[in-house]
Amino acid sequence: SQKIEQNSEALNIQEGKTATLTCNYTNYSPAYLQWYRQDPGRGPVFLLLIRENEKEKRKERLKVTFDTTLKQSLFHITASQPADSATYLCALSGAGGGNKLTFGTGTQLKVEL
Amino acid sequence: DGGITQSPKYLFRKEGQNVTLSCEQNLNHDAMYWYRQDPGQGLRLIYYSQIVNDFQKGDIAEGYSVSREKKESFPLTVTSAQKNPTAFYLCASSMIDEQFFGPGTRLTVL
Repeated sequence: SQKIEQNSEALNIQEGKTATLTCNYTNYSPAYLQWYRQDPGRGPVFLLLIRENEKEKRKERLKVTFDTTLKQSLFHITASQPADSATYLCALSGAGGGNKLTFGTGTQLKVEL
Repeated sequence: DGGITQSPKYLFRKEGQNVTLSCEQNLNHDAMYWYRQDPGQGLRLIYYSQIVNDFQKGDIAEGYSVSREKKESFPLTVTSAQKNPTAFYLCASSMIDEQFFGPGTRLTVL
């Protein structure tokens, strides 16, 4: 069956360092992958989208890579700040196309001073 | 301001009662979605609609019903048949790829 895995353990890093979050998937061939940020008690907010034919995408301090051979995406936040503390969700497009998404469970990031 | 509104933010109901959660968007998006989120879990798709007067079941549709009579509105009814309805419910809309989410409704069934 289709499965999306994100680290369930929280990631704690120091301010100024680069945070790297992982999203692995199995039994899936997504056309694209998205990353969202979710703060406690709020709806997720879209951050980045990367398509299957793209290796890397950047937006300000954010970088996403997509390796369809390894079936893995890495999400990097450079020069991290305490305001980056949140849960980050990866989401994969549906196997049948369209804009239906399947979400991972998310990884909580804590950036400490 | 364009966006998605969900109401109410908190909702309490007695077991056995149906309850309807509101979702409205003024983004002119064709597609709308309902998700459920439980503690420590990701979002699970309940129902989605890609056009007015049409909707499809998601992964966990049992015990839920929806309607899409207007482009702007996609209400979700949690029926008494839903065995474990206490959760955080999120509505979203999209035009192409990225989804825009509302603030969510936290439903507690007593």
